[in-house]
Amino acid sequence: ETGVTQTPRHLVMGMTNKKSLKCEQHLGHNAMYWYKQSAKKPLELMFVYSLEERVENNSVPSRFSPECPNSSHLFLHLHTLQPEDSALYLCASSPGYATNEKLFFGSGTQLSVL
Amino acid sequence: GQSLEQPSEVTAVEGAIVQINCTYQTSGFYGLSWYQQHDGGAPTFLSYNALDGLEETGRFSSFLSRSDSYGYLLLQELQMKDSASYFCAVPMNSGYSTLTFGKGTMLLVSP
Repeated sequence: ETGVTQTPRHLVMGMTNKKSLKCEQHLGHNAMYWYKQSAKKPLELMFVYSLEERVENNSVPSRFSPECPNSSHLFLHLHTLQPEDSALYLCASSPGYATNEKLFFGSGTQLSVL
Repeated sequence: GQSLEQPSEVTAVEGAIVQINCTYQTSGFYGLSWYQQHDGGAPTFLSYNALDGLEETGRFSSFLSRSDSYGYLLLQELQMKDSASYFCAVPMNSGYSTLTFGKGTMLLVSP
């Protein structure tokens, strides 16, 4: 149990579908993150929320839409995705948004776009 | 920009010692972290170095040389369960907790 739970673990969707990824952290942290992990590539930061406000948006296409309704929950809404968006999507949290904060990751959602 | 270089794969046998190197380029330096990720699992934090020198945590140690923009993760008394990917990471930009990761080093431990 990592303290960060992601659902679903696996998702297959067509390019015209709309789906959402959910992340919940039980650690009392104030910052939450979405990272994308593709084969043979480094983890890529997508979005960061600190105290429920988006503080970083790393040039992510608008077909990915994050939502942070409270400090424990983070969503990633997906629509009209492309096959190249197939990847492992990792959620993470940290106590705060400052240097040397340790990130706590969930196990990810493995997304396949057909 | 920022970039990190680490070997793509390292192999070793049980009981051995292995060193995974990481070189980085950043406009400002705020520390070097290491994460472990087993296949299908969540990345987990291993260590953080802000100052030069060696930090030891059980079988794992991490070293940093800021003047050389270089660090390494040292794993001793290797066990089969250490087979995983290991990522070095540095904070982006102004030093907040958002990290830039290397591509990862896959460690394969054989009997």
